[in-house]
Amino acid sequence: GENVEQHPSTLSVQEGDSAVIKCTYSDSASNYFPWYKQELGKRPQLIIDIRSNVGEKKDQRIAVTLNKTAKHFSLHITETQPEDSAVYFCAAKRSNYQLIWGAGTKLIIKP
Amino acid sequence: ETGVTQSPTHLIKTRGQQVTLRCSSQSGHNTVSWYQQALGQGPQFIFQYYREEENGRGNFPPRFSGLQFPNYSSELNVNALELDDSALYLCASSPGGTRYNEQFFGPGTRLTVL
Repeated sequence: GENVEQHPSTLSVQEGDSAVIKCTYSDSASNYFPWYKQELGKRPQLIIDIRSNVGEKKDQRIAVTLNKTAKHFSLHITETQPEDSAVYFCAAKRSNYQLIWGAGTKLIIKP
Repeated sequence: ETGVTQSPTHLIKTRGQQVTLRCSSQSGHNTVSWYQQALGQGPQFIFQYYREEENGRGNFPPRFSGLQFPNYSSELNVNALELDDSALYLCASSPGGTRYNEQFFGPGTRLTVL
């Protein structure tokens, strides 16, 4: 079955710098890759997603890249702000199967 | 989109008891998934319902069961509660069509088993 690995588990960056979180997946049939942000005590919120027919997607300060050959995808946050502090989860899914989640990355934005 | 609701917000039970958690899907969403999230971990898939039928199940024992109603609201039932069942239980609803992969989460129910 699918396995998703996420790195790093904790990431501390200076406010204004960029943050990159990386995930690898094992099932080559996976075709949907969302990223969720979860603030302490709150629900996971979908922040961006990418489908396997696209290599990159951008939404303001957030971008996701997908390398199908290497089976990895990454989240890039530019010009980080204090409100970006949260736990970020990647996930992978193939059609008609469940969403498989990474273990999460705690992002800390230092003022 | 933040229309998914769950009840109750918090719940305390003792080992061996039974619990029912409820989820109201976002309007127009016909698929609901349930997850268990232990402290400091990612959500673990329990099962999914599509048009009142179970449509996939994760690695959870049969004492975890569910229902989906004609209005697409859903219940998660857990029998014979164990201490390890203490967690945040999340439901997520999905729209149909081309957005069927997307999942929108409710605020969760925090279950504590003593």
